[in-house]
Amino acid sequence: AQSVTQLGSHVSVSEGALVLLRCNYSSSVPPYLFWYVQYPNQGLQLLLKYTSAATLVKGINGFEAEFKKSETSFHLTKPSAHMSDAAEYFCAVIDTGGFKTIFGAGTRLFVKA
Amino acid sequence: EAQVTQNPRYLITVTGKKLTVTCSQNMNHEYMSWYRQDPGLGLRQIYYSMNVEVTDKGDVPEGYKVSRKEKRNFPLILESPSPNQTSLYFCASSAGLAGVETQYFGPGTRLTVL
Repeated sequence: AQSVTQLGSHVSVSEGALVLLRCNYSSSVPPYLFWYVQYPNQGLQLLLKYTSAATLVKGINGFEAEFKKSETSFHLTKPSAHMSDAAEYFCAVIDTGGFKTIFGAGTRLFVKA
Repeated sequence: EAQVTQNPRYLITVTGKKLTVTCSQNMNHEYMSWYRQDPGLGLRQIYYSMNVEVTDKGDVPEGYKVSRKEKRNFPLILESPSPNQTSLYFCASSAGLAGVETQYFGPGTRLTVL
């Protein structure tokens, strides 16, 4: 079965600093991979998704993620953090059958002024 | 406005009292799904539906039921709630398979079972 591991339940950065949120997946074939963001008291919103078209995927709000098959990773980055980026971020993968979504445990991002 | 709505948003109930959380989408989506979110565990899929009258179990279906009689609605039923079902629940929908099409999430229902 597919699984997703997010390293670090909490990440704290200063405003203007690089954001790096880590995600590793377990899969023998290139999967569909996603990053979602959840702002306080809201549902999840899609940030970006990888569907094998390009290894570097650009999303909304200046985020991007790079698919690295050799490392089975799909880390999320943003060059310069903004206070409004404070939220919880989830990495997710679609299972082999295509019907189920497997989420990571989530990483809460704190942005310090 | 395209949206997924859930009701109620907050619910406190007692063990064993049957309840239903409704989910409705106005985007004519075929695929709908229910998740529960627990601290440290992320979101886990409870049930999903590929179309009307077609449903299947996710990873944590025990204690839950669903039905899909109409395309727009996908209610989650707890026949006999227990305290371990206290959680934050999300409904989601997409035009097709979740891997291909974007999933749109509802605002969540916070359920407390005493």
